[in-house]
Amino acid sequence: EVQLVQSGAEVKKPGESLKISCQGSGYIFTDFWIAWVRQMPGKGLEWMGLFHPGDSGTRYSPSFEGQVTMSVDNSINTAYLQLSGLKASDTAVYYCARQDHYFDFWGQGTLVTVSS
Amino acid sequence: EIVLTQSPATLSLSPGERATLSCRASQSVSTLVAWYQQRPGQAPKLLIYGSSNRATGIPARFSGSGSGTDFTLTISSLEPEDFAIYYCQQRSFWPALSFGGGTKVEIK
Repeated sequence: EVQLVQSGAEVKKPGESLKISCQGSGYIFTDFWIAWVRQMPGKGLEWMGLFHPGDSGTRYSPSFEGQVTMSVDNSINTAYLQLSGLKASDTAVYYCARQDHYFDFWGQGTLVTVSS
Repeated sequence: EIVLTQSPATLSLSPGERATLSCRASQSVSTLVAWYQQRPGQAPKLLIYGSSNRATGIPARFSGSGSGTDFTLTISSLEPEDFAIYYCQQRSFWPALSFGGGTKVEIK
């Protein structure tokens, strides 16, 4: 069974950094792109970027390039999304998803709250 | 950037009724469109891919159609669990992916 399990909710202060994890299981982790998607409170889905664990290929949405960093640790089948210089406007749920042409499996989401 | 515009923003219907949701692309995306369902507090779930193909385990009451710039998701007879938010997404200009703004299907 394909599963993506994300790290737990975080509360951060403005200016701090954060790394969210997404661990895949039930499939060959290095064969599929991992996408990151943001959902701000009460809002829709925003595609942030794609990361390929097989070759560390990255594709960023222009809206997020320079604002986030994607990485991977293939030894534990885990992808990461790093957010730096957090602002209150970064408060959102962040999802990872496997891309097999489309986003066929999703993590449960990680709620990030940025507040002083 | 491909902009996907979904309409209506909210659809108020009763169980058993037919739901018709629209997604319009700012330029042609062929049939490279998917639909996702998001229930409150849950992650999105893939319903339809390639405009008209149901994902694994998706009931036959869900159907998709369209090509080019106009796409439709139809739910033939609403079940209680179908009241949710639905998003379309295009991958025609990969890696420049995009989602529509969503349509909320609510109980009338």
